[in-house]
Amino acid sequence: RKEVEQDPGPFNVPEGATVAFNCTYSNSASQSFFWYRQDCRKEPKLLMSVYSSGNEDGRFTAQLNRASQYISLLIRDSKLSDSATYLCVVNMPDSWGKLQFGAGTQVVVTP
Amino acid sequence: DAGVTQSPTHLIKTRGQQVTLRCSPKSGHDTVSWYQQALGQGPQFIFQYYEEEERQRGNFPDRFSGHQFPNYSSELNVNALLLGDSALYLCASSFGRGQETQYFGPGTRLLVL
Repeated sequence: RKEVEQDPGPFNVPEGATVAFNCTYSNSASQSFFWYRQDCRKEPKLLMSVYSSGNEDGRFTAQLNRASQYISLLIRDSKLSDSATYLCVVNMPDSWGKLQFGAGTQVVVTP
Repeated sequence: DAGVTQSPTHLIKTRGQQVTLRCSPKSGHDTVSWYQQALGQGPQFIFQYYEEEERQRGNFPDRFSGHQFPNYSSELNVNALLLGDSALYLCASSFGRGQETQYFGPGTRLLVL
């Protein structure tokens, strides 16, 4: 079983709509969680950290469910520029800095 | 404030050759981590350098080695290249070895023929 699993998509979303997707992680000791965004053939860029209480950054909302070992990302009022691959990332206390990436969820926002 | 830089941007090698990739961390950062990203996959951790020593290593063979210099820049060396080594190699820098955010460079795209 992979450490971090994501639905690869693609999620085809009309402009202005809301899209949400999850990521599951296998190690219950995982401590830090992140969403990175990666555009085609570019480097990953931090979108947001995910806190236990959940957090929001503009149109983006991240949630953590420790009991079920998943994190989620919700994008409201989707823009064409939101089209990208969203990478779920987990950091564990016994190997700080060794980020575990999911394979990514592709989102395509259409006009 | 310069971000993470990597060189070269692209590289073509043949099987059996050796390659060296370079990374300069973001200003103020002292830790460099290297990742390999194959097409359609997420980045896979290769190793991490801090205080000029390899501190952690992922599931990569000894053909993959590295170095960190006193100015915190780093090199990734791959010997005896295989076709399967073709990938995007990403360098990420951070401050300290722990929970601090890692910032990625643009990557080096390696093609092994």
